[in-house]
Amino acid sequence: RKEVEQDPGPFNVPEGATVAFNCTYSNSASQSFFWYRQDCRKEPKLLMSVYSSGNEDGRFTAQLNRASQYISLLIRDSKLSDSATYLCVVIGRSGGSNYKLTFGKGTLLTVNP
Amino acid sequence: DAEITQSPRHKITETGRQVTLACHQTWNHNNMFWYRQDLGHGLRLIHYSYGVQDTNKGEVSDGYSVSRSNTEDLPLTLESAASSQTSVYFCASSGHSTGDTEAFFGQGTRLTVV
Repeated sequence: RKEVEQDPGPFNVPEGATVAFNCTYSNSASQSFFWYRQDCRKEPKLLMSVYSSGNEDGRFTAQLNRASQYISLLIRDSKLSDSATYLCVVIGRSGGSNYKLTFGKGTLLTVNP
Repeated sequence: DAEITQSPRHKITETGRQVTLACHQTWNHNNMFWYRQDLGHGLRLIHYSYGVQDTNKGEVSDGYSVSRSNTEDLPLTLESAASSQTSVYFCASSGHSTGDTEAFFGQGTRLTVV
């Protein structure tokens, strides 16, 4: 089983739609979780952190389920500008007190007018 | 403002040549990472470092090496470039040792090996 697996996509949705992405991770001791956004030919940038209690930032909601080892990202009222690749990131221990970032392959979202 | 920069942004090289990609960050972060990104594979970790003189192999380290002589820089060297190493390379850095802070990425280096 891969360390981090994401919905392969691609997702094509109309403006205003609600879309959800899931990501599963294999290491039960993983420490922190994030969603990154990557625009075409650009570097990934942090979208939001993911907390056990769930967190919301405007139209974006992130959830963590430690028991089932998955995280999710919900985008409501999709905008054209939401078109991008969404990457989940899991941080876990990599020997001693150091940590390693592991990325999912990313899910491509295209929002259509 | 603190930043992380990669150079060059684009590079074309010939098979068999040694190539070094630079990564410089002014965040004073201990943790630095090199990834390559290819269609169908996502971001794959090449090498990483948790501090000066510390380097570690990632999942796709064959044919690559890094050195960390100071906090700011983690150059990535392709010992003998191969066509399979044509890719987009991203450098990243993160600060806190507890792993709960975001990673910042450079703008990427697009390498073509011909």
